[in-house]
Amino acid sequence: AQSVSQHNHHVILSEAASLELGCNYSYGGTVNLFWYVQYPGQHLQLLLKYFSGDPLVKGIKGFEAEFIKSKFSFNLRKPSVQWSDTAEYFCAVGGGSQGNLIFGKGTKLSVKP
Amino acid sequence: AAGVIQSPRHLIKEKRETATLKCYPIPRHDTVYWYQQGPGQDPQFLISFYEKMQSDKGSIPDRFSAQQFSDYHSELNMSSLELGDSALYFCASKHRGGGTEAFFGQGTRLTVV
Repeated sequence: AQSVSQHNHHVILSEAASLELGCNYSYGGTVNLFWYVQYPGQHLQLLLKYFSGDPLVKGIKGFEAEFIKSKFSFNLRKPSVQWSDTAEYFCAVGGGSQGNLIFGKGTKLSVKP
Repeated sequence: AAGVIQSPRHLIKEKRETATLKCYPIPRHDTVYWYQQGPGQDPQFLISFYEKMQSDKGSIPDRFSAQQFSDYHSELNMSSLELGDSALYFCASKHRGGGTEAFFGQGTRLTVV
């Protein structure tokens, strides 16, 4: 069965701290991987995506993620977080002709000023 | 650039009433997805359409139905509403084909009282 697992439910960091959010997936076949951010009361916004090629992908707002096929992981990283990064982050996997996404449970990030 | 438009943005209904949510995809996008995000939950895939035909079905209750029209807009019809249907309903659209991601609308927040 297809699934996405996000390890951390809630992460609290101080500004300028480094961030790494874990994401593991279970998916048969060609996989497309995504990280979305959802600010309070807002819709989902795409941070970055991986379809193929360089496993280290860079997204918006200084975020990056690394696809490690052998570990079925797609962890999100940012070297130095800002207060404005406070949001919920969802890892998602999709693929095949249908393309519908399966989301992880989300990780709530709180950045203290 | 045009985005995915959802209407209404907010909707309050009483139990056992019906509701219709509308989604207008990005021009030239042929695929529409519907997701339900309960309070504090991850988005759950409901149903998708490609070229006006249902392409995949997720955890959509039998009380719900949806369709995609000739102009590619989609409507989610919800009947016999229950308190547990209170959620944020997202629509996303994409152009089918490898290497493209889905774009999400702002969502419709449905409150059932």
